Amino acid sequence: EAGVAQSPRYKIIEKRQSVAFWCNPISGHATLYWYQQILGQGPKLLIQFQNNGVVDDSQLPKDRFSAERLKGVDSTLKIQPAKLEDSAVYLCASSSLAGNNEQFFGPGTRLTVL
Amino acid sequence: RKEVEQDPGPFNVPEGATVAFNCTYSNSASQSFFWYRQDCRKEPKLLMSVYSSGNEDGRFTAQLNRASQYISLLIRDSKLSDSATYLCVPKAAGNQFYFGTGTSLTVIP
Repeated sequence: EAGVAQSPRYKIIEKRQSVAFWCNPISGHATLYWYQQILGQGPKLLIQFQNNGVVDDSQLPKDRFSAERLKGVDSTLKIQPAKLEDSAVYLCASSSLAGNNEQFFGPGTRLTVL
Repeated sequence: RKEVEQDPGPFNVPEGATVAFNCTYSNSASQSFFWYRQDCRKEPKLLMSVYSSGNEDGRFTAQLNRASQYISLLIRDSKLSDSATYLCVPKAAGNQFYFGTGTSLTVIP
């Protein structure tokens, strides 16, 4: 079974630039998550989708972050404009509605904002 | 109050030692519980699920106390390869997972 795919793996941008990350979840997983993980901290949920609907985006800084999952499969997360404090690893995860419901994570995108 | 509280450590233990990590969670409606392991600069990966009766997987034992909202992980006969950050993750309804800061473990030769 293929895992969660993310791209790019690394990105370096200057502050005030825009950036987009892509995630393709495990096939058949209805729930998709975007997390921000700052060095030394646990993952912080940014947004949770179930199919193409938003379940929780309470911690998404909506003035600069946006995410979509238009067809209920892959998803993009965008930051516009980026700030220095956005430097982090952005993790995408997916889970099924059935079974043990564990989350599977992608390898993450490491963003550095200069 | 944080959803999940963990002692960040670091825990530095010699090979062969037994080490225990504790975690408390605030959402009494949490339905499932997991321990994830995260290696340096890698993504979290499921270590084990935690069942109400407690469960064991080789050198790893997980315990759940719903009344106290407390989860534990015991690692016996520590190996160098056990060095990682261990994340306690309760799950609530709607497939909502809550992550703590994790506990850092270093096993020393």
